[in-house]
Amino acid sequence: AQKVTQAQTEISVVEKEDVTLDCVYETRDTTYYLFWYKQPPSGELVFLIRRNSFDEQNEISGRYSWNFQKSTSSFNFTITASQVVDSAVYFCALAESNSKLTFGKGITLSVRP
Amino acid sequence: EAEVAQSPRYKITEKSQAVAFWCDPISGHATLYWYRQILGQGPELLVQFQDESVVDDSQLPKDRFSAERLKGVDSTLKIQPAELGDSAMYLCASSWSDGTYEQYFGPGTRLTVT
Repeated sequence: AQKVTQAQTEISVVEKEDVTLDCVYETRDTTYYLFWYKQPPSGELVFLIRRNSFDEQNEISGRYSWNFQKSTSSFNFTITASQVVDSAVYFCALAESNSKLTFGKGITLSVRP
Repeated sequence: EAEVAQSPRYKITEKSQAVAFWCDPISGHATLYWYRQILGQGPELLVQFQDESVVDDSQLPKDRFSAERLKGVDSTLKIQPAELGDSAMYLCASSWSDGTYEQYFGPGTRLTVT
């Protein structure tokens, strides 16, 4: 069975600090997909990234970067130079081939000015 | 930019009443999902449609919940009768194909059962 663990529940940082959100997953499949979503206070989940299990290359998009390590079953998300607008709940999620998306419990990030 | 539409945004209902939520997915998206998100938790899938067919409703409490997507476009989720424990955010999402593709979420309906 697939499982996603986000051990951190709440993180508070001061603006401009870097912050890393951890995600550990469990799956028996060799083909699977990992996602990060952002849920601002408005409630709508916003898609951030999708990676498949065969692509371990790290990705950078502006201030966001993702580190995928199959050896440790982790898919961590780093925000560089955090901003107040980054305050939200962040969810990591996993989908095995042709199966439903399983979300972690989310990490609440608060960025203080 | 295309968006998933949901209505209503907020709903307050009394226990034992019926309530319905509506979702209009992004045009062309064959797959539609209904999720329930309890405060402090991640979304949990209630039902998944591929066009007008249900492909997964294993977590849908079928004694009180029903969902339909008659023409393979918009969808309705109904609860009858509502219970106090149904208070949650109900999210609709759509994607091009199955759960391995990115899903685009609507703004959700926040349900409060009193």
